[in-house]
Amino acid sequence: NAGVTQTPKFRVLKTGQSMTLLCAQDMNHEYMYWYRQDPGMGLRLIHYSVGEGTTAKGEVPDGYNVSRLKKQNFLLGLESAAPSQTSVYFCASKITGTPGELFFGEGSRLTVL
Amino acid sequence: GENVEQHPSTLSVQEGDSAVIKCTYSDSASNYFPWYKQELGKGPQLIIDIRSNVGEKKDQRIAVTLNKTAKHFSLHITETQPEDSAVYFCAASKTGNQFYFGTGTSLTVIP
Repeated sequence: NAGVTQTPKFRVLKTGQSMTLLCAQDMNHEYMYWYRQDPGMGLRLIHYSVGEGTTAKGEVPDGYNVSRLKKQNFLLGLESAAPSQTSVYFCASKITGTPGELFFGEGSRLTVL
Repeated sequence: GENVEQHPSTLSVQEGDSAVIKCTYSDSASNYFPWYKQELGKGPQLIIDIRSNVGEKKDQRIAVTLNKTAKHFSLHITETQPEDSAVYFCAASKTGNQFYFGTGTSLTVIP
């Protein structure tokens, strides 16, 4: 039972390079989220999706793009990476409707030099 | 948007003692307050949650209390054990779909 899987787990980029983080969930959840975690800042929402083909901005969306072409996948893209995007990124998913549990992946550590 | 503050940022307790982590929120419309535990190298996991129509909820050694008037809620862990050592996050939500997290508390239980 995989749950939420993130790839890659580690990545080092140079300033200006682009990359995509992939999140896949096998729980048939409608909602998916991308958070970043920084020391002393907690978890901050970047973008989220309430269903296939839909996306919405969170608290800190600048410099990121997302796509949800398939229900089970949620992609986070960095078009031109900056050192300020050095962080640990977490994907999460949940079922539709009333408040419920967020299921998180194990994180992707990104370093931008 | 919602602003969730969490204190303390670090907490050390002796094994067997109790630990208390406190959070405040700004949006009086928030009505759902989960707590997540994050072990080293892993993603956060839900450990307990409370809705605004309840003042307290317990699950074995863990309890959460909510004071809607004061807009604060707390996590209480009794009889702490070394495996309770982790980072704990509180969160608040008014839609049940978008969550605002606190900045986290690193709890260390000293054997």
